[in-house]
Amino acid sequence: QLQLQESGPGLVKPSETLSLTCIVSGGSISSTSYYWGWVRQPPGKELEWIGSIDYSGNTYYSPYLQSRVTISADASRQRFYLKLHSVTAADTAVYHCVRDRGQWLIDCWGQGTLVTVSS
Amino acid sequence: IQLTQSPSSLSASVGDRVTITCRASQGISRYLAWHQRKPGKAPKLLISGVSTLESGVPSRFSGSGSGTDFTLTISSLQPEDFAVYYCQQLNYNPPAFGGGTKVEIK
Repeated sequence: QLQLQESGPGLVKPSETLSLTCIVSGGSISSTSYYWGWVRQPPGKELEWIGSIDYSGNTYYSPYLQSRVTISADASRQRFYLKLHSVTAADTAVYHCVRDRGQWLIDCWGQGTLVTVSS
Repeated sequence: IQLTQSPSSLSASVGDRVTITCRASQGISRYLAWHQRKPGKAPKLLISGVSTLESGVPSRFSGSGSGTDFTLTISSLQPEDFAVYYCQQLNYNPPAFGGGTKVEIK
């Protein structure tokens, strides 16, 4: 059974880089059938798609965040990563890693990790 | 694309029929999915393509609609169905989610 688990610092200072890791078990991130991505939900606000990466390392980002986002993957370690640069308080959110079946259809979610941006 | 869910919350009893609506600001054909989130758990995909139930999802769940107006119906609410439900459009980049509907116990 596929499981996704986010990990990373729960507190990041303004202007710094938010870095998260998603550990994938029960499935291969090298699969050509899926994309691996990130979704976030700020407190009291809607879920927001951040971006994804495919098996060959092609990345796809939200146009609203693409100037600050980097998603990468390490297939040998079954992990993929999120970096969000130059964060502000508006980036405080629960961040979920997800598997995308194609055309943004999320068919597996991680439980999510809260990241707070504060000095 | 904006997705507006209504109601934002509802109280219902076990056995009740529950209907949640999702309205898109533009037509999205049949590119709509529904997700369920329970407290402390990862969200779960329930329905894709407006009405296709994921494997293992009980048949009391159903979806309908096309274009801009969609519904998620739970025909007979069960204790394990108390959760937050989100719609998601898959037709335009970036994919967007509705604000969620919290289904609570009456």
